[in-house]
Amino acid sequence: RKEVEQDPGPFNVPEGATVAFNCTYSNSASQSFFWYRQDCRKEPKLLMSVYSSGNEDGRFTAQLNRASQYISLLIRDSKLSDSATYLCVVGGYSTLTFGKGTMLLVSP
Amino acid sequence: DAGVIQSPRHEVTEMGQEVTLRCKPISGHNSLFWYRQTMMRGLELLIYFNNNVPIDDSGMPEDRFSAKMPNASFSTLKIQPSEPRDSAVYFCASSSTGNYLKLFFGSGTQLSVL
Repeated sequence: RKEVEQDPGPFNVPEGATVAFNCTYSNSASQSFFWYRQDCRKEPKLLMSVYSSGNEDGRFTAQLNRASQYISLLIRDSKLSDSATYLCVVGGYSTLTFGKGTMLLVSP
Repeated sequence: DAGVIQSPRHEVTEMGQEVTLRCKPISGHNSLFWYRQTMMRGLELLIYFNNNVPIDDSGMPEDRFSAKMPNASFSTLKIQPSEPRDSAVYFCASSSTGNYLKLFFGSGTQLSVL
């Protein structure tokens, strides 16, 4: 089993739609969880951390399910500018393991 | 504030040549990471430094790869000799103590080995 697995997509959605991505991780001892965003031909950038109780940042909601070892990201009211690849990231003691990412394409 | 600075942005070289990638982390950050990204394998951690000391280089593919951090503001990743399968985007990232898992990435070096 891969350390961090994501559906590569692409997810094609119209503007205004709600879209959700899931990610599973294999190491039950993982301590930290994040979503990074990567635009085409750009570097990854931190989108948000994921907390055990779930957390929200504007249109973005992240959830963690430790028992099932998965993380989710929900995007409401999708914008054209949300088109990017979303990387699920799991942290151990000192390093991060990145998933390959899920591509989102938001169309007019 | 300047972010993580990498050079060159693009490198095209021939198989067998030596390649040196450079990175300047964010001032005050004491951890530095080198990642490689390909379509097939995604982002892979090659090596990371803490306070200029290599902590984990288990991701370095083989002896052809070496990395140094002679001071807090500079690191290099060297490939000698380069091979076509080394073609990838190489990212450098840095982070600070107390928030060591929040990485700031440079713009990357697109390496093509012909």
